[in-house]
Parts: sequence; C-alpha cells; structure tokens
Amino acid sequence: DIQMTQSPSTLSVSVGDRVSITCRASESISRWLAWYQQKPGKAPKLLIYKASSLESGVPSRFSGSGSETEFTLSISSLQPDDFATYYCQQYDSYPLTFGGGTKVEI
Amino acid sequence: QITLKESGPTLVKPTQTLTLTCSFSGFSVSTVRLGVGWFRQPPGKALEWLALIYWDDDKRYSPSLESRLTITKDTSRNQVVLMMNDMDPVDTATYYCAHSIGANPKLAYWGQGILVTVSS
Repeated sequence: DIQMTQSPSTLSVSVGDRVSITCRASESISRWLAWYQQKPGKAPKLLIYKASSLESGVPSRFSGSGSETEFTLSISSLQPDDFATYYCQQYDSYPLTFGGGTKVEI
Repeated sequence: QITLKESGPTLVKPTQTLTLTCSFSGFSVSTVRLGVGWFRQPPGKALEWLALIYWDDDKRYSPSLESRLTITKDTSRNQVVLMMNDMDPVDTATYYCAHSIGANPKLAYWGQGILVTVSS
C-alpha cells in the first residue's frame, strides 16, 4: 500500500494568512493526488485533482503543486470559511489511500 | 446535477452483516469511465477507502477488508450496494459513497454519509 503522510497535523492560523500543507507519498504516484476539505459532520469536498487542477467552483485562493512523492496544498489568503480539516488522497494505484488530515484552526 | 445518498441501518449488532445502499441521480453507473466507491470515517479519524465498482462491473476492494466486503450495482435502479459481514464495534463509522470518473478515479461528488454504530 502507498502510505500518505501529511504535515502538520494541526495548523493554528489567522484570517488572511497564507497556508501551506504538505503531503508525502511513500512511493511515486506521478500526479495522481487529490486534496479535500472536510467540515464537521459533512462529506469531503474535492478541491484539487491531478495535483494542481482546481475543481470547478473552488475559489482560486486554493492551489496545489508537486509530483512524484511530494505535494503541497496552498491557500493564498485564509478566509473564515476555510477553517476545516484537509486530506490528501492518492489515486495512482489500489488501494486508494488518504493522509491523516491537517486541521486548520484559529 | 449529480447527487448521491446513503441508506441503511444506523445500528447493527456485532457479527451481523451490514448492507448499505447508495442511491444516486444525474448519472448512470453503466456509462463508460464512471463508477461508485465506498468510504468510511470512524469518529475523529481519517477517511478510509473500502471498495469501488466500475461501469464495466470491475470491482476493487481494500485488501485489509476484502474478505468481508461485497459491492454490487443495480443499473436499472441507479443504486450501488455494499455488504460488510461480521461487523465489530471497531467498524463504527460514518460511511460515504462517492461518484468516480476515470480508471484513476476522481471523486468529485459525495453522499452526505450515514453513521453506523456497531453495538450489542
């Protein structure tokens, strides 16, 4: 199985801050990486697919970069609605695997 | 507009079999490249993939749970069913289904989830 490791596990930030979350894969996954946002009691929401493609309807302050084993999700200027938990997920091969999550809190 | 919704029991006893149904609209699971996957999330923990069925009836399972899982599709009813046998309290989680597209499955649409508690 491909292990996905996210860091940090918790991020304490303020509105307007630039935020970066890192995801590392235990082996190369090319660019088959997705990022999700999840709020309490809600389903995951796809933000980024294929490492850097912005899903339709997602604000442009979200961006993704990276390839092979190292990936980053960036939020250019954090908004109040962005406080949530973020997960990376590889879909290069089965089994599909997720990172442990990064909670972005005030 | 693509929507999905999970249904099934919210409480099951240990050793019982869980049967969950994903009912969807806005697409057909017989359309080339499409599929439906199942995922779960124990309270306060990360997401875990369980199974996925493709348009051509190709099925993939989590290796750690494969012996307990069965995924099927009913194209005429627009439903995908997941069965998990021998339920245990550690299987307590919110279970989600999601629409997938592509051989490397992009998961852009998710159901609201259903919390399943395993307890005697």
